[in-house]
Amino acid sequence: RKEVEQDPGPFNVPEGATVAFNCTYSNSASQSFFWYRQDCRKEPKLLMSVYSSGNEDGRFTAQLNRASQYISLLIRDSKLSDSATYLCVVIVSGGYQKVTFGTGTKLQVIP
Amino acid sequence: NAGVTQTPKFRVLKTGQSMTLLCAQDMNHEYMYWYRQDPGMGLRLIHYSVGEGTTAKGEVPDGYNVSRLKKQNFLLGLESAAPSQTSVYFCASSYPGLATGKNIQYFGAGTRLSVL
Repeated sequence: RKEVEQDPGPFNVPEGATVAFNCTYSNSASQSFFWYRQDCRKEPKLLMSVYSSGNEDGRFTAQLNRASQYISLLIRDSKLSDSATYLCVVIVSGGYQKVTFGTGTKLQVIP
Repeated sequence: NAGVTQTPKFRVLKTGQSMTLLCAQDMNHEYMYWYRQDPGMGLRLIHYSVGEGTTAKGEVPDGYNVSRLKKQNFLLGLESAAPSQTSVYFCASSYPGLATGKNIQYFGAGTRLSVL
């Protein structure tokens, strides 16, 4: 089983739609969680951190479910500019804080 | 701030040639990483460093070497390039820690390498 798994998509959604992605992780010692956004042929950039209490940034909401070991990203009122690949990141603490990226979920917002 | 700068941006090599990719960061980050990204494979960690003078193997280290002689620089070397090393290479850096704002990775723009 992969340490971090994501549905690769693509998710094709119309403008204005709400879309949600999940990311499951296998290591129960995971302590930090993030969502990154990667545009085609560009570097990944931090979208938002994920906290146990959930957090919201404008149209984006991230949630963590420790019991079921997954994180989610909800995008409301999708814009064309949201088209990208969304990567989840899980960090396991220890002597070295191991960082693991998911393979990404591709979102295409359609006019 | 420039953030994380990678050079070169593009390179074409012949099988067996060697080259060094340079990553420089001006954020005083302790941790630095080299990843490769291939279609359908996501980001895979090649080597990483937790501080000046230290390096460690990641998930796919074979065929690569690294050095971190200065805190701000992390070099990735290919001693004898192979077609299987055709990929996009990303460097990243971060502050370690679990507190808010820690362990956020800042990436360079990438190096597109083709090995013929």
